[in-house]
Amino acid sequence: DTEVTQTPKHLVMGMTNKKSLKCEQHMGHRAMYWYKQKAKKPPELMFVYSYEKLSINESVPSRFSPECPNSSLLNLHLHALQPEDSALYLCASSWTAQAGSGNTIYFGEGSWLTVV
Amino acid sequence: TQLLEQSPQFLSIQEGENLTVYCNSSSVFSSLQWYRQEPGEGPVLLVTVVTGGEVKKLKRLTFQFGDARKDSSLHITAAQPGDTGLYLCAGLISGNTGKLIFGQGTTLQVKP
Repeated sequence: DTEVTQTPKHLVMGMTNKKSLKCEQHMGHRAMYWYKQKAKKPPELMFVYSYEKLSINESVPSRFSPECPNSSLLNLHLHALQPEDSALYLCASSWTAQAGSGNTIYFGEGSWLTVV
Repeated sequence: TQLLEQSPQFLSIQEGENLTVYCNSSSVFSSLQWYRQEPGEGPVLLVTVVTGGEVKKLKRLTFQFGDARKDSSLHITAAQPGDTGLYLCAGLISGNTGKLIFGQGTTLQVKP
């Protein structure tokens, strides 16, 4: 079972709202990721968690706040977003965060976020 | 700068035709993955290639990893309308922690 589950699938929020995106995997993976994707563009890395610790923050604005409560869960807390933050937010996971031979990154179905 | 050049970026063909998508880089990848993505959905993994010169087949799709592990190709035989979607190649570079290097994507449209 190579499944990464994301909720909600769609989210509309105002610029003053606080909301969260949630991600879950039960594959025993120790690395989890948040990506942002605009239409017809490849995904862009935002954050990497390795063994529940934040290992990479790709200079993401502080209005995006990641959280890894345990090895199976990853949240992305959203506050005071801008309309240009509207995008598909993808969670992903892999066995490790190292580029070892055969390490494969699996994506969830994504959460489509619209900021109004 | 680590780049993965993917071509073509857009392809519109008739059902039954063959096509090839290419990904090229000056960097050596420890592994390279191909994904297919439909609008509003997440990328779905098609294959991971690891060994230089490796060829993997998935029904009508054939994936090849270059001998030097710097390039890869995806060949689709007798394309079907169900093959329509965005195809992404993405590689992992040894020493880079968890950061997939993505190609620009190939939007494939197969007309019935």
